[in-house]
Amino acid sequence: DQQVKQNSPSLSVQEGRISILNCDYTNSMFDYFLWYKKYPAEGPTFLISISSIKDKNEDGRFTVFLNKSAKHLSLHIVPSQPGDSAVYFCAARIVGDDKIIFGKGTRLHILP
Amino acid sequence: SQTIHQWPATLVQPVGSPLSLECTVEGTSNPNLYWYRQAAGRGLQLLFYSVGIGQISSEVPQNLSASRPQDRQFILSSKKLLLSDSGFYLCARQGQETQYFGPGTRLLVL
Repeated sequence: DQQVKQNSPSLSVQEGRISILNCDYTNSMFDYFLWYKKYPAEGPTFLISISSIKDKNEDGRFTVFLNKSAKHLSLHIVPSQPGDSAVYFCAARIVGDDKIIFGKGTRLHILP
Repeated sequence: SQTIHQWPATLVQPVGSPLSLECTVEGTSNPNLYWYRQAAGRGLQLLFYSVGIGQISSEVPQNLSASRPQDRQFILSSKKLLLSDSGFYLCARQGQETQYFGPGTRLLVL
């Protein structure tokens, strides 16, 4: 049973436009959500996170929104740049547990 | 700074051969360490985690094993590789709110 779901395997966005990556989760015990970015043949790097007590967190071009009632979060990248082309993993952590559960990832292509 | 080393970077092994992947961590003591595998279309799957020397927890039944002989060393092993063991293996350490990943090892079993 997949607790963190990224239903779009890939997404293509024009350079300069907004990229929106979506993520759904099923476990109401998750209290912390993270986004990671991964380039080919490299380890994932932490991008941005949000606590369950917030509904928005912004860091430069990256904003994460959390809708707890819908068990949904999204990552907005604006404006999108060529270097943003990568696989983005949504992840979540359970209360009192260090383990992180990852989604399958969404491959983002930024088009010139 | 805290750094994670993994080697080898790439490995091609025949089916039935043994495996040993090594992860070492610098700049921190007694970290929680993790082994993940990224297989095609399957995202990041947690294989093992360790909270200290000699302490290993397995997340999924499989052909692999892990060991932590030293505080900053985490080893992933197999006695006989299967084709399905191919993938990208990532070591990670626990941070304050997140996990930090090493560069990974790409394993191809033929």
